[in-house]
Amino acid sequence: GALVYQYPRRTICKSGTSMRMECQAVGFQATSVAWYRQSPQKTFELIALSTVNSAIKYEQNFTQEKFPISHPNLSFSSMTVLNAYLEDRGLYLCGAGTGQAPLFGEGTRLSVL
Amino acid sequence: QQQVRQSPQSLTVWEGETAILNCSYENSAFDYFPWYQQFPGEGPALLISILSVSDKKEDGRFTIFFNKREKKLSLHIADSQPGDSATYFCAANTNAYKVIFGKGTHLHVLP
Repeated sequence: GALVYQYPRRTICKSGTSMRMECQAVGFQATSVAWYRQSPQKTFELIALSTVNSAIKYEQNFTQEKFPISHPNLSFSSMTVLNAYLEDRGLYLCGAGTGQAPLFGEGTRLSVL
Repeated sequence: QQQVRQSPQSLTVWEGETAILNCSYENSAFDYFPWYQQFPGEGPALLISILSVSDKKEDGRFTIFFNKREKKLSLHIADSQPGDSATYFCAANTNAYKVIFGKGTHLHVLP
């Protein structure tokens, strides 16, 4: 079956350092990949959306300089959180899809010390 | 501006009852509405979805009722089970791949 695998599941980094997270689509080719951050209050924030043959589009309050994303093929995407601080804490979710309803991975939970 | 609104924020029902989770939206361009179920410590899982050309979608104990004129929809969970206790997110999008989520309804099903 189709699923989305995210790695790592949990990570802790020191304030001011960076960390990279990965997203793998298994069993299907993802024509779109969206990265979200879910706050402790469960609210979803869309960080950026990457679709085939289009530039990666970042939402307001999120920039490529802070959250660079790579989407080299239809199965893989990665995102780095640069210079992480307390406000960057949360569950980072990758939603990969071929149409309208993306499948989500389990997320990467980022803690910042 | 919250484009997708959910109510109630939290809902408690007894086992066997029907839980009703409500959702409304602002943007008339939304034409696809997936519902996701999320358990603590896990990512959201697609539960059921509906296109705006339909007014009802059933999948086992889960039913979506959709009212395009009022821009409202609801998820009915029949014969609720304790294992259904989770947070349910209503989402909306167009063909543009961008999915907008509501803030969720936390469902508690008491045995």
